[in-house]
Amino acid sequence: DSGVTQTPKHLITATGQRVTLRCSPRSGDLSVYWYQQSLDQGLQFLIQYYNGEERAKGNILERFSAQQFPDLHSELNLSSLELGDSALYFCASSEGTFNEQFFGPGTRLTVL
Amino acid sequence: AQSVSQHNHHVILSEAASLELGCNYSYGGTVNLFWYVQYPGQHLQLLLKYFSGDPLVKGIKGFEAEFIKSKFSFNLRKPSVQWSDTAEYFCAVTGDRDDKIIFGKGTRLHILP
Repeated sequence: DSGVTQTPKHLITATGQRVTLRCSPRSGDLSVYWYQQSLDQGLQFLIQYYNGEERAKGNILERFSAQQFPDLHSELNLSSLELGDSALYFCASSEGTFNEQFFGPGTRLTVL
Repeated sequence: AQSVSQHNHHVILSEAASLELGCNYSYGGTVNLFWYVQYPGQHLQLLLKYFSGDPLVKGIKGFEAEFIKSKFSFNLRKPSVQWSDTAEYFCAVTGDRDDKIIFGKGTRLHILP
């Protein structure tokens, strides 16, 4: 158990819909990272927040957005969903920016 | 542009064989290097990391990696693999140029009992 929690574990939805994935970092970690893992794209870094502010952006689509709240939990919002958005979405946290990241169990999103 | 390349996409070995997984990176500044492992059905976890100092880094479960700056490489090694090492292995790099972390596409390791 890494100490990072993610909800829900599984999510099944239809194309065009919007979903929100939630992540609670390890106690004391200020950085939260979001990743998308799929068979064809591998592990893709989406976005990082540090203490409530966006710190780095990776391959995140405009249809996707995220935020980190004052209590440091984070949400990833995915809208206008497409079949290709079906993937495993991981959240990770770390103390700072360059430290070891601790990964959550992931949310498996299926878009039908 | 910064990138990480893992040349072996899928490796199959027998138990007790020696392992070396390649990782090459492209990054213009000072780097921090990581190897993560993802066991079947589980989340990623850190195997080992290099920030500075001794370029030969020892991690958990008998794994080690060597940072060779001149070759931009950070290969993962294990002298004798076990069936339980079956997993996907990811090399990753961060550095002083920006705050992004870049992962390689992963290497699926399958150990035959």
